[in-house]
Amino acid sequence: EAQVTQNPRYLITVTGKKLTVTCSQNMNHEYMSWYRQDPGLGLRQIYYSMNVEVTDKGDVPEGYKVSRKEKRNFPLILESPSPNQTSLYFCASSGWGNNEQFFGPGTRLTVL
Amino acid sequence: GNSVTQMEGPVTLSEEAFLTINCTYTATGYPSLFWYVQYPGEGLQLLLKATKADDKGSNKGFEATYRKETTSFHLEKGSVQVSDSAVYFCALNSGGYQKVTFGTGTKLQVIP
Repeated sequence: EAQVTQNPRYLITVTGKKLTVTCSQNMNHEYMSWYRQDPGLGLRQIYYSMNVEVTDKGDVPEGYKVSRKEKRNFPLILESPSPNQTSLYFCASSGWGNNEQFFGPGTRLTVL
Repeated sequence: GNSVTQMEGPVTLSEEAFLTINCTYTATGYPSLFWYVQYPGEGLQLLLKATKADDKGSNKGFEATYRKETTSFHLEKGSVQVSDSAVYFCALNSGGYQKVTFGTGTKLQVIP
């Protein structure tokens, strides 16, 4: 089954404790993105990647890092999480020439 | 920069009522336009899309027409069902990159 998977689905952590949210897709897609969803703000893009080793900032990159060492994986790293990063996070992927995005199920992060 | 403006929700309708959710956009060039739907507890999934002016996207009884002259992409459905209750996002993709801009989302609740 074609899908985007994220782990963990739920995470409660404390300020300053480094964490990684994994994202993997099995559709051989070139493009991958991370978004955060907040009430009243919709989805905002954090980072995106156009291929292996090619990443770029989205609209709200501060406090986040990403890497794309393999085509299928695009982890999101919070080196020192803060409470304002409490949010619902989505990973998405799409293929070359097809601009439909396929979304993962989401990761709900709470930073205390 | 690019932007998408959606009508604010929540929108509450009775079953079989007519639905319109307004969406207007600002973008350079010739963007592709999308409607995504998010059911409770799930990630977003593509509902319909249009890639050039005057194109009509349609799916599951929903329709939207790409109007370049009014920079709009309003979502319509002739007869809503309880199962259509969800959050609907208008979005655009401008240029060849996967930098997608989303609206803030409109929550639709359909009551029996």
